[in-house]
Amino acid sequence: GNSVTQMEGPVTLSEEAFLTINCTYTATGYPSLFWYVQYPGEGLQLLLKATKADDKGSNKGFEATYRKETTSFHLEKGSVQVSDSAVYFCALGPGNNRKLIWGLGTSLAVNP
Amino acid sequence: DAEITQSPRHKITETGRQVTLACHQTWNHNNMFWYRQDLGHGLRLIHYSYGVHDTNKGEVSDGYSVSRSNTEDLPLTLESAASSQTSVYFCASSTSGTGELFFGEGSRLTVL
Repeated sequence: GNSVTQMEGPVTLSEEAFLTINCTYTATGYPSLFWYVQYPGEGLQLLLKATKADDKGSNKGFEATYRKETTSFHLEKGSVQVSDSAVYFCALGPGNNRKLIWGLGTSLAVNP
Repeated sequence: DAEITQSPRHKITETGRQVTLACHQTWNHNNMFWYRQDLGHGLRLIHYSYGVHDTNKGEVSDGYSVSRSNTEDLPLTLESAASSQTSVYFCASSTSGTGELFFGEGSRLTVL
């Protein structure tokens, strides 16, 4: 069945460091891929998405490219800020996009 | 602005009591979901609904029930609360086809 695997956290970085959070998936068909972010004490919110192979999603300085050949959707940011401290979830959407398959989440802490 | 609200935000109850967590959305979304979030388990789907009078079991539905009598509301009921149901509960909604979920801020439930 469909599944998502994220790198385990926590990830701790200094401000302005480069961030990569790995996400790989297994899926049949042509799913969409998502990154959601959960700030402390809040619900999740969509960070970015990609709906087909080679699409790049981007938002708030974060990017992820849908790589079908490596079944990956790694999240990257060139220079993290303290305000990026949060839990990041990778998710995969089945054909009807109504029910998502979730990774376990990766906690990121950015120190000043 | 449209939104999704959960209540109560915090609840402490005793084992064996019935508890209902409310979820109300003003997006007019057809799809609504209940998740629980626990350390080490990420998000796990409890129940979901694709429209009025439609309800479906998720991966961890035992001990929980939902009903959908209108588009806006999907209350989650714990018939007889157990300590294993201590968790943070998130409600989410979406339209069909986009894959973007809109989350509430969560309800933290403690069962003593």
